[in-house]
Amino acid sequence: DQQVKQNSPSLSVQEGRISILNCDYTNSMFDYFLWYKKYPAEGPTFLISISSIKDKNEDGRFTVFLNKSAKHLSLHIVPSQPGDSAVYFCAASAGGADGLTFGKGTHLIIQP
Amino acid sequence: DAMVIQNPRYQVTQFGKPVTLSCSQTLNHNVMYWYQQKSSQAPKLLFHYYDKDFNNEADTPDNFQSRRPNTSFCFLDIRSPGLGDAAMYLCATSRDRGGARKYEFFGPGTRLTVL
Repeated sequence: DQQVKQNSPSLSVQEGRISILNCDYTNSMFDYFLWYKKYPAEGPTFLISISSIKDKNEDGRFTVFLNKSAKHLSLHIVPSQPGDSAVYFCAASAGGADGLTFGKGTHLIIQP
Repeated sequence: DAMVIQNPRYQVTQFGKPVTLSCSQTLNHNVMYWYQQKSSQAPKLLFHYYDKDFNNEADTPDNFQSRRPNTSFCFLDIRSPGLGDAAMYLCATSRDRGGARKYEFFGPGTRLTVL
């Protein structure tokens, strides 16, 4: 019973274009959402987060959008660069609970 | 400059032979976590320590145990590894609980192979 779903195992985008990674969740208790980036042979690294009281958070080329009514969030990367090629994990946490619930990840490939 | 260190990076054990994975942190964070990630799956939380307070996830098998002798170190013990325990084991830390303090720093992981 996956509470965080990333339905696209992989995504291929041309360099310079926009990359949009999607994430859906089912647990309405989730109140904080995070995106992690993972290169091969490394642990996930924190990228950007959003609280459930907001609908948008921006950090440089990265923007996360949250649609609470649809239980959907997305990560936009503009413009996409070769170094963005990695696996991106969506994660969520609920209130006082510790630890994160992760999606399975989306492998983003930036093509030159 | 490493912040969350996991040793070894690769561990091979035999079916049923106990194994211990190690994690250390230089961040002085209160919370330490262990996640299991099987191939093409989401990382799954096994348990965590808030300071010395141990918190087990409900569906974590009894075969998995953990120790945190001090703030810096945390160990994952697998008492009798089965073939299904082959996975990447990720250690993570967070400064504290709740909201923006929740985001976790991950180590590079230990890949466990069970023969």
